[in-house]
Amino acid sequence: ETGVTQTPRHLVMGMTNKKSLKCEQHLGHNAMYWYKQSAKKPLELMFVYSLEERVENNSVPSRFSPECPNSSHLFLHLHTLQPEDSALYLCASSQMIQATAGEKLFFGSGTQLSVL
Amino acid sequence: GENVEQHPSTLSVQEGDSAVIKCTYSDSASNYFPWYKQELGKRPQLIIDIRSNVGEKKDQRIAVTLNKTAKHFSLHITETQPEDSAVYFCAPKGGRGSTLGRLYFGRGTQLTVWP
Repeated sequence: ETGVTQTPRHLVMGMTNKKSLKCEQHLGHNAMYWYKQSAKKPLELMFVYSLEERVENNSVPSRFSPECPNSSHLFLHLHTLQPEDSALYLCASSQMIQATAGEKLFFGSGTQLSVL
Repeated sequence: GENVEQHPSTLSVQEGDSAVIKCTYSDSASNYFPWYKQELGKRPQLIIDIRSNVGEKKDQRIAVTLNKTAKHFSLHITETQPEDSAVYFCAPKGGRGSTLGRLYFGRGTQLTVWP
């Protein structure tokens, strides 16, 4: 375990359902991320939260809604998803020193989402 | 955003041989160059990284080399072993302005090491 825990590991939902993905990090990091990994595309950044800033990828549809109540917890709320949203959703955390620097990402095991 | 290309997309080598994966990027201000390894069914994990003030970095059997002029960096694995079989991703970070979270992942290289 790398200290980043995601639940559930697998999720099957219909297009009219509402569900939430949960991520928790035990590493004391100050930044958390949601990534989408699908077979035909590179790892795609969806959202980033740090202590002072939230960044979102403008191409992410509004049916994905993130929530970050504190530096250790991150949620991704899902509603009225489409079959093309089926993918592996990965949470990650890092200790960010400054926004322009690079830092090591610690990933969770992911939630494999299937939208029927 | 950053345009990232990885080559090759698949690579098969015999155990004990060397493997080299190349990553090219477009943002000349990029300043951080990591490589991640993802084994089948597992999470991506960083295996080595380099910053723009260093040309080469080595950690046992793996090394990363950086050519900022040509805007590419490469992963080198020597004495490959079957457990090196995985998908490898490069993820250069753009350097312009506030780039919070802006690691641009390549499409990945599937490395298979045959015993």
